[in-house]
Amino acid sequence: DTGVSQDPRHKITKRGQNVTFRCDPISEHNRLYWYRQTLGQGPEFLTYFQNEAQLEKSRLLSDRFSAERPKGSFSTLEIQRTEQGDSAMYLCASSWSTENTGELFFGEGSRLTVL
Amino acid sequence: AQSVTQLGSHVSVSEGALVLLRCNYSSSVPPYLFWYVQYPNQGLQLLLKYTSAATLVKGINGFEAEFKKSETSFHLTKPSAHMSDAAEYFCAVRRNAGGTSYGKLTFGQGTILTVHP
Repeated sequence: DTGVSQDPRHKITKRGQNVTFRCDPISEHNRLYWYRQTLGQGPEFLTYFQNEAQLEKSRLLSDRFSAERPKGSFSTLEIQRTEQGDSAMYLCASSWSTENTGELFFGEGSRLTVL
Repeated sequence: AQSVTQLGSHVSVSEGALVLLRCNYSSSVPPYLFWYVQYPNQGLQLLLKYTSAATLVKGINGFEAEFKKSETSFHLTKPSAHMSDAAEYFCAVRRNAGGTSYGKLTFGQGTILTVHP
C-alpha cells in the first residue's frame, strides 16, 4: 500500500487551456474525494465518489470542472478553459465507506498555476 | 450544516513552550472532529480524531485535544513544542449521522505554527 498518489504534482498552463489531474486512491478504499486548497485557506470540498458513483458535487464545481471515476478505482479531475482563479492545490483523498470514524487519507496534491 | 472556526491564523511559540491551537465547531448533531497537519508542499496527515468515545484524545507526535461539548471546542495542545512541529494545522468536522454526504470533512482555515529556537 503506497498511499494516495496524484499526478502531476505541478502543472503550469496558460489561461484557456484544459488540464487533467489523476488520483489513485488506496486500493481498498471505495470512497474518493476531491478538494481544492488556495493560499491561506483550508481545503474546500469539490466532489466525491463511492465506487464509480459521484454522490455529491459542491457549488464550487462550475460547469468547466468535471470529475470521473469510471471503474471505481482511479479518478480524474478535468478543468476546461482554465482561468487564473483556478490556480490552487487540488487534493485527492480516499476512505472506506464502512469506516465509521471517517478518516480521510490525502495525497500530496496537484498544484495548478494558470498564467 | 457543519463548520469549524480556527482562532488565530498564525501562532508563534518558543521551542519547549506549550502549544495551543484553538478550534470551535458548529454542528446540529454530535460531530466527529479531526486535526490534520500539513507540512510545506505535502498533503494532509491525520494527527488525531474524536469519534464520541473519550473526550480527551491523544494523537501522534505528542499532540492531544479535548472535546468540550459545552464550549463547542476541540483545541489542540502539546506540552512542549519542537522545531519539527512547525507546520500548518487544520481542524475539521464531519457529521456522524448517515446520508450520502456524511463522509465529507469540512475544514477550518488553518493555523500556521511557527516554533522559535
